[in-house]
Amino acid sequence: DAMVIQNPRYQVTQFGKPVTLSCSQTLNHNVMYWYQQKSSQAPKLLFHYYDKDFNNEADTPDNFQSRRPNTSFCFLDIRSPGLGDAAMYLCATSRRGDRSSYNEQFFGPGTRLTVL
Amino acid sequence: AQKITQTQPGMFVQEKEAVTLDCTYDTSDQSYGLFWYKQPSSGEMIFLIYQGSYDEQNATEGRYSLNFQKARKSANLVISASQLGDSAMYFCAMRERIQGAQKLVFGQGTRLTINP
Repeated sequence: DAMVIQNPRYQVTQFGKPVTLSCSQTLNHNVMYWYQQKSSQAPKLLFHYYDKDFNNEADTPDNFQSRRPNTSFCFLDIRSPGLGDAAMYLCATSRRGDRSSYNEQFFGPGTRLTVL
Repeated sequence: AQKITQTQPGMFVQEKEAVTLDCTYDTSDQSYGLFWYKQPSSGEMIFLIYQGSYDEQNATEGRYSLNFQKARKSANLVISASQLGDSAMYFCAMRERIQGAQKLVFGQGTRLTINP
């Protein structure tokens, strides 16, 4: 089945130790998104890739970076995790959707990050 | 910018009863789309239903229907014959156009608990 896969499902890191979260997709979608969801809050977009074009949200901290080496894979790098970065990180994909059209986003299962 | 408001932090419903989850939105766009997602405790976001602003009929998907009242800017989710497995967090979301794609702007969510 075509899907969005995130690894690992649970990640524990130490304060200040870089960590990388991984997302892959078999849907061949142009767009990949990273959302951050803190406990009891709504998901919030960090950035997205439209093909190889990286687009950062204005309020995403510099501590968060992303890489997309090919269509299938996208990585979220947190350079120096702080306690406030503990959250669920959700990867999503969609077809190109810059027009006013229905454009469902398909979400992965998420990676729950704990910072000690 | 779009804004989504969900005024019910928590709902408790008896099994087999119908339940309505409220969602109001604010946008200056003439063309927009509204989504409902379910998030179980495991964390993944599950797409439930979509309503486009120009759709003349309310969307339905199995036990889910969307009560779309454009003049009131509301898009309430109705779940008929609730089941224990419906216990989860429910998010209303609106798409917002961004560079080459569309991001989802989420409400704060409603935690639904189905009692046996």
